[in-house]
Amino acid sequence: AIRMTQSPSSFSASTGDRVTITCRASQGISSYLAWYQQKPGKAPKLLIYAASTLQSGVPSRFSGSGSGTDFTLTISCLQSEDFATYYCQQFYSYPPLTFGGGTKVEIK
Amino acid sequence: EVQLVESGGGLVQPGGSLRLSCAASGFTFSSYSMNWVRQAPGKGLEWVSYISSSSSTIYYADSVKGRFTISRDNAKNSLYLQMNSLRAEDTAVYYCARAYCSSTGCYGAFDYWGQGTLVTVSS
Repeated sequence: AIRMTQSPSSFSASTGDRVTITCRASQGISSYLAWYQQKPGKAPKLLIYAASTLQSGVPSRFSGSGSGTDFTLTISCLQSEDFATYYCQQFYSYPPLTFGGGTKVEIK
Repeated sequence: EVQLVESGGGLVQPGGSLRLSCAASGFTFSSYSMNWVRQAPGKGLEWVSYISSSSSTIYYADSVKGRFTISRDNAKNSLYLQMNSLRAEDTAVYYCARAYCSSTGCYGAFDYWGQGTLVTVSS
């Protein structure tokens, strides 16, 4: 199974900050990567698919990049509604489909 | 509007069984692959099972293989997960999730999720 490793697991930031979350795959996955946002008590929401394509309706302050084994999710100007947990997920090779462990973005 | 509504969760004893359902609306259910994804309390996301649009292809996570069975009824716009021989480690919120499809095909990402149903396995 392809292992997905996110870093950091959590961090604190302020509104207006530019933040970057990293996801690393244990083997090359081309651009078959998705990013999700999850708020407490809610279902995950798809933000980005194919590593860098913004899902419809997602604000443009979110962006994704990378290919192969290393990927990043960037929020250019953190808003209050962006405090949440973010997950990456590979869909290059399955079963199994695998997620990263999550990155919790907290208010500083 | 795409909607996925899970039901069937609850408290069950170890070794027991439960059947989850997911009612779909707002899209052509028979055209989409579907999945179950779970999340243990305070933990991350874990993919559980996949079923293709015609039920011809089915996958399971190793952790549930041989105990869980995914199925669908396209006439009823419904997805199911039969869970047998339940263990404490199966305690989680179970989400049904639609596979993302674009003009170039369908992929193993999830563009719509239900609100989830909680399964608690405890004596």
